[in-house]
Amino acid sequence: KAGVTQTPRYLIKTRGQQVTLSCSPISGHRSVSWYQQTPGQGLQFLFEYFSETQRNKGNFPGRFSGRQFSNSRSEMNVSTLELGDSALYLCASSLSGGEEREQFFGPGTRLTVL
Amino acid sequence: AQSVAQPEDQVNVAEGNPLTVKCTYSVSGNPYLFWYVQYPNRGLQFLLKYITGDNLVKGSYGFEAEFNKSQTSFHLKKPSALVSDSALYFCAVRQSGGYQKVTFGIGTKLQVIP
Repeated sequence: KAGVTQTPRYLIKTRGQQVTLSCSPISGHRSVSWYQQTPGQGLQFLFEYFSETQRNKGNFPGRFSGRQFSNSRSEMNVSTLELGDSALYLCASSLSGGEEREQFFGPGTRLTVL
Repeated sequence: AQSVAQPEDQVNVAEGNPLTVKCTYSVSGNPYLFWYVQYPNRGLQFLLKYITGDNLVKGSYGFEAEFNKSQTSFHLKKPSALVSDSALYFCAVRQSGGYQKVTFGIGTKLQVIP
């Protein structure tokens, strides 16, 4: 099976712009989570989707939003970009919504905000 | 609220020696515990998890971890380190019940010295 794919892999944007990141989970996986990874902060949870419903949301401002489509693909959007949004954004999928399930991560999208 | 602590930013160990990467957690109820590894310029890969049952969990690449409820710890161990084990290791916890989010530690960099 193909792994989790994320597009694009790299993005350079300027402050004030908006960006949309895409994630395709492993075939058959219905749960998708998003994380922001920065040095010294580890992985910060953004949101979790299961069957097109947002099940959990992290402590990020409303500029960060996401959605999941009926084929389980997910997108996250960041509006009005700030310098501090520069990070590696990771998407992870799991087979079902079970809490005990391990997650499978994509390679990430490296976002640089200038 | 749940939390994870990885007290060491970096662990150095000589090749062939045993290694330990420490993790302690805090949750209100029963925990699901996970270890992930991130190699340079790669996404996170699942290593092992504790759900219930035997406190000693065995995972990929010869790694194991011991769940200690009284000390709220879940240290990652390997009997004999390889240079190829050098990577960033993340501990994660998810409180069982209620579909809580997954909380990750900030990561520990493992350096295996030839």
